[in-house]
Amino acid sequence: GAGVSQSPSNKVTEKGKDVELRCDPISGHTALYWYRQSLGQGLEFLIYFQGNSAPDKSGLPSDRFSAERTGGSVSTLTIQRTQQEDSAVYLCASSLNRSPGETQYFGPGTRLLVL
Amino acid sequence: AQKVTQAQTEISVVEKEDVTLDCVYETRDTTYYLFWYKQPPSGELVFLIRRNSFDEQNEISGRYSWNFQKSTSSFNFTITASQVVDSAVYFCALTLNTGGFKTIFGAGTRLFVKA
Repeated sequence: GAGVSQSPSNKVTEKGKDVELRCDPISGHTALYWYRQSLGQGLEFLIYFQGNSAPDKSGLPSDRFSAERTGGSVSTLTIQRTQQEDSAVYLCASSLNRSPGETQYFGPGTRLLVL
Repeated sequence: AQKVTQAQTEISVVEKEDVTLDCVYETRDTTYYLFWYKQPPSGELVFLIRRNSFDEQNEISGRYSWNFQKSTSSFNFTITASQVVDSAVYFCALTLNTGGFKTIFGAGTRLFVKA
């Protein structure tokens, strides 16, 4: 595709429910990143994929958070038993390969609100 | 520890003024990459510039210029003759060559350019 796409764009859920957020990276990009941006805050790194593997999961805030990537393309970030503090914008980015100097291209984000 | 500090939370200027956004980083790595991103009100982060740690040459691109100084661990960004469309949140980021290529973002500086 032309850019990184994310769905849904907005999600409202009730506390305790599970949610799935989807990221479709730029075609041909092998690296994929998930970040969280809480209201008025900077970006918090969550997880990084190279291909289908996730060599760095250090940013996941709790075991309620998990992510997978299949076929080296689409990634899904799952939050189980959502809490109100999970409310944030979840941003996905992709880059061409695994070089840390590669530019990351960001999607529009998914705005998650947990009531 | 790695850290990116953007001490200016908000800056307000009048159109046509010059404005400098400060960024100070901390790392013990000798190889690293620095980035500036712009986040307009629409929310999608836009890449502005990338610098690697071995390239201290400053750069000018139109009204934008960047001053990278390893001696002071700073990577400052200047907008000359600011315009209303420059109003956005600007993020400075640091990516290391080790540790899974985690990218650390500063908290961002919100720039208001008034007509």
